[in-house]
Amino acid sequence: SQELEQSPQSLIVQEGKNLTINCTSSKTLYGLYWYKQKYGEGLIFLMMLQKGGEEKSHEKITAKLDEKKQQSSLHITASQPSHAGIYLCGADIGHGQNFVFGPGTRLSVLP
Amino acid sequence: DAGVTQSPTHLIKTRGQQVTLRCSPKSGHDTVSWYQQALGQGPQFIFQYYEEEERQRGNFPDRFSGHQFPNYSSELNVNALLLGDSALYLCASSPGQGWAPLHFGNGTRLTVT
Repeated sequence: SQELEQSPQSLIVQEGKNLTINCTSSKTLYGLYWYKQKYGEGLIFLMMLQKGGEEKSHEKITAKLDEKKQQSSLHITASQPSHAGIYLCGADIGHGQNFVFGPGTRLSVLP
Repeated sequence: DAGVTQSPTHLIKTRGQQVTLRCSPKSGHDTVSWYQQALGQGPQFIFQYYEEEERQRGNFPDRFSGHQFPNYSSELNVNALLLGDSALYLCASSPGQGWAPLHFGNGTRLTVT
């Protein structure tokens, strides 16, 4: 079973459109990380959230962690073809526990 | 400043064989973690090495073993390969024990035939 769930599984949007990807856990998260992966390559770190209610932005990407620290969203404004890839959330799920990843959301942006 | 490097990039092995994958961490990082990523899935944690010892382990059989050297580089060994071991194997490094943002290499694509 997945400790982190992501939705949607895949997403196709027209260039310029906004989109949101969600990451949900049944456990309290001690740190939530967003990564991007191009097919067959390594993961690139995007953002880290640790405090409930925290929000961070980088260029056109904004990530939020809810107050209960069990759900995070990644929002892309005015999407571009360069945003295409697989977005993965990863989390520290507790003291002495492993760092786990969600199954990923595959994003395609049509020019 | 070199990031995480992994070798080889691709590998084809036969069932029952053994394989060794290598990883050099990002400069300044002393912790190495290994992940297995099957096609279309998120990475699954194999184990983490810090100070040359295995500190944490995921739900993988003993066929998967590793090593960390004094220069912080690491090896992942898989014995008695199965078809199901075919995957992208990712190495990640971080500073200090814990889960500070992981920096990933581009992985080794292992195909078992």
